[in-house]
Amino acid sequence: QKEVEQDPGPLSVPEGAIVSLNCTYSNSAFQYFMWYRQYSRKGPELLMYTYSSGNKEDGRFTAQVDKSSKYISLFIRDSQPSDSATYLCAMTDDKIIFGKGTRLHILP
Amino acid sequence: NAGVTQTPKFQVLKTGQSMTLQCAQDMNHEYMSWYRQDPGMGLRLIHYSVGAGITDQGEVPNGYNVSRSTTEDFPLRLLSAAPSQTSVYFCASSYAQGTENIQYFGAGTRLSVL
Repeated sequence: QKEVEQDPGPLSVPEGAIVSLNCTYSNSAFQYFMWYRQYSRKGPELLMYTYSSGNKEDGRFTAQVDKSSKYISLFIRDSQPSDSATYLCAMTDDKIIFGKGTRLHILP
Repeated sequence: NAGVTQTPKFQVLKTGQSMTLQCAQDMNHEYMSWYRQDPGMGLRLIHYSVGAGITDQGEVPNGYNVSRSTTEDFPLRLLSAAPSQTSVYFCASSYAQGTENIQYFGAGTRLSVL
């Protein structure tokens, strides 16, 4: 079983929809959970990070961690074409592990 | 703050040539890493450093060398380039305290080996 699983997509949704991106993981020692956004031909940029379980909100973005289910989510409200990118989840114990990313397309 | 700066942005090499990819950060981060990103493979760790003078291998270290003489700089050397090293290379830095290892990335170097 891979340490971090992330559906590669692509995921296409109409503008204004709520987007849900998810990762599952197997290592219960993970404590910090991050989401990165990567535009085409650019480096990953940190979008949000959370410690342990719970929710964190930043504008249109909400990160959710469910450690009991080993499942993390990123929700994007009122999605915009500028949100079209690849989203990578990442998590840490004594090292950082990245998911392979989900490609998201927001259709105008 | 410039963050993490990588040079060059693009490079074309012939098989067997050597080169150095430069990475510099101005955030005073102790932890620096090099990744390669290939389609369908995600980010794969090549080498990392937890501080000046300390480096270690990651998942795919073969064919690459690193050194860390200062906190700011972490160059990646390709000893004898091979077509399999055609990839996009990212440098990252973080202040890594315990399990808190939140990494900040450079813009990448696109390398083609012919």
